[in-house]
Amino acid sequence: AQSVTQPDIHITVSEGASLELRCNYSYGATPYLFWYVQSPGQGLQLLLKYFSGDTLVQGIKGFEAEFKRSQSSFNLRKPSVHWSDAAEYFCAVGNAGNMLTFGGGTRLMVKP
Amino acid sequence: DAGVIQSPRHEVTEMGQEVTLRCKPISGHNSLFWYRQTMMRGLELLIYFNNNVPIDDSGMPEDRFSAKMPNASFSTLKIQPSEPRDSAVYFCASSLWPSGGNEQFFGPGTRLTVL
Repeated sequence: AQSVTQPDIHITVSEGASLELRCNYSYGATPYLFWYVQSPGQGLQLLLKYFSGDTLVQGIKGFEAEFKRSQSSFNLRKPSVHWSDAAEYFCAVGNAGNMLTFGGGTRLMVKP
Repeated sequence: DAGVIQSPRHEVTEMGQEVTLRCKPISGHNSLFWYRQTMMRGLELLIYFNNNVPIDDSGMPEDRFSAKMPNASFSTLKIQPSEPRDSAVYFCASSLWPSGGNEQFFGPGTRLTVL
């Protein structure tokens, strides 16, 4: 069975600092990988996705993620965080079927 | 384009009452998912449909929960009778499968409070 681990439940960074959110997955084949963001009181919005090809994926709002098969990781990065990036971030893996398995989420707080 | 539409956005009810949550998926999508989100358990998949047919309902907590999808543009999640532990945010999501590659589009959610 597939699984997703987001080791950091909370992360606090200063505005303007760089950010990396960790995601590790367990899946037997080449996965479909996703990062979603959830602002308070909102639904989940897709930031970026990896299906195949270039392992460095660009997303919206200046985010990027890198698929590393050898480490079973799909970490999310942003070079300079803005206060509006404060939210909860979810990593997810899709299988050959139609389902997504979500990680537990990482709550990002941004200090002024 | 309209995204996934859920109603109501907020529902407050008393224990024992019936609750019906509604979802309209994105037009043309053929898969629909119901999730529940709580602080304790995170995001849980309750049930999903492909082409209006329930495929996996193993996440439905108990017989008090039921879901239907009578046509491609409408689904309901019903709780009867409701209990305080059902208080959560319920999300509906839709996707175009398989061409959409598992990408799911989420609605804004329904915040349910059972007193």
